[in-house]
Amino acid sequence: GQNIDQPTEMTATEGAIVQINCTYQTSGFNGLFWYQQHAGEAPTFLSYNVLDGLEEKGRFSSFLSRSKGYSYLLLKELQMKDSASYLCAVRVLDSNYQLIWGAGTKLIIKP
Amino acid sequence: NAGVMQNPRHLVRRRGQEARLRCSPMKGHSHVYWYRQLPEEGLKFMVYLQKENIIDESGMPKERFSAEFPKEGPSILRIQQVVRGDSAAYFCASSPQQGGSDTEAFFGQGTRLTVV
Repeated sequence: GQNIDQPTEMTATEGAIVQINCTYQTSGFNGLFWYQQHAGEAPTFLSYNVLDGLEEKGRFSSFLSRSKGYSYLLLKELQMKDSASYLCAVRVLDSNYQLIWGAGTKLIIKP
Repeated sequence: NAGVMQNPRHLVRRRGQEARLRCSPMKGHSHVYWYRQLPEEGLKFMVYLQKENIIDESGMPKERFSAEFPKEGPSILRIQQVVRGDSAAYFCASSPQQGGSDTEAFFGQGTRLTVV
């Protein structure tokens, strides 16, 4: 079966660094996506990884290890506005290019 | 490119009525996903469709709920005989049938269903 695991909730302090992990077991792999969702709003795309390694975009970075079925999203210099849910999604390697979604990690930032 | 369009944005239904939620995917996208989100909770996958086909409906309740994505027109999520527990935000996302970069899924702004 297809499975994606993320922690349900994490808490971090403003100005600090936080790492949100995502592990997956899927029928093949064709890319991993991270999304951010603020309360009451639609999720928005943050990053895409298809090769092993780190992709950096400003304060946000995403890492992928395909052999371990593992990714993380790293958020630096946390700001209060980073309080949101973070979703991990994997595109499986089939003719449908289906996306399998994790349940999301709710990140709470404290002053 | 107008993005993923969902309508209505807000829908109020009395218990026992039917709710129809519409989702027009982005131009060129052939995949549609529907999700339900209860207040203070995460997204819950409901159904994944391609044009004229339901690919995965494992997250959709067996009774009262149905979804379609016809050859022409938007995808429709239909909830019959609504109950108060159906009150939630329903999000739709669309993605292309291809791999590679710049092929991420895009979400609509959601439909907030309130059952009174």
